[in-house]
Amino acid sequence: AQSVSQHNHHVILSEAASLELGCNYSYGGTVNLFWYVQYPGQHLQLLLKYFSGDPLVKGIKGFEAEFIKSKFSFNLRKPSVQWSDTAEYFCAVNPDSWGKLQFGAGTQVVVTP
Amino acid sequence: GAVVSQHPSRVICKSGTSVKIECRSLDFQATTMFWYRQFPKKSLMLMATSNEGSKATYEQGVEKDKFLINHASLTLSTLTVTSAHPEDSSFYICSATRTDYNEQFFGPGTRLTVL
Repeated sequence: AQSVSQHNHHVILSEAASLELGCNYSYGGTVNLFWYVQYPGQHLQLLLKYFSGDPLVKGIKGFEAEFIKSKFSFNLRKPSVQWSDTAEYFCAVNPDSWGKLQFGAGTQVVVTP
Repeated sequence: GAVVSQHPSRVICKSGTSVKIECRSLDFQATTMFWYRQFPKKSLMLMATSNEGSKATYEQGVEKDKFLINHASLTLSTLTVTSAHPEDSSFYICSATRTDYNEQFFGPGTRLTVL
């Protein structure tokens, strides 16, 4: 079955540490890829997206993600996290040219001061 | 821009009653709206896709008679949970998209608790 997999369900790290969250998908063909963030008590916000072009995508708040087609991966990275990055992070895939999203299970990230 | 609101933000109801949740795109016309359900510690599960003026398309396993969706205008979609039961308790989230922007904008969600 087509799916989106996030490798870690829960990550705890200290401020200034580097963060990398894995995301793999099993859809064939062309896909659009997204990373969303959900801060405590807030709605989902788009961090970044990839449709085509440069596989290294830069998003808001210092986040970036790299699309590796051969590995069906779209990993999210941030070189130095802050306490305010504590949130749940969701990878999502849109297998159509536009339309419904398939979400990964999410990764809860806790950044300690 | 691209703000999506939901009302109510939380609702508690008795088993057997129906509950209506509204999703509005405040500053753009949404050609399509999506309804998701989010369980605790779980991901978002797409329930249905709603296009203005036409019937909603439900995902496999979602009861369309249970979860009635109406997309009456380009800025409003409603989800009615009919004859709600405790197992319907969940966090319901809508999103909206428009033809010129390949991105979904999410509402803040509605917490439904059925007693």
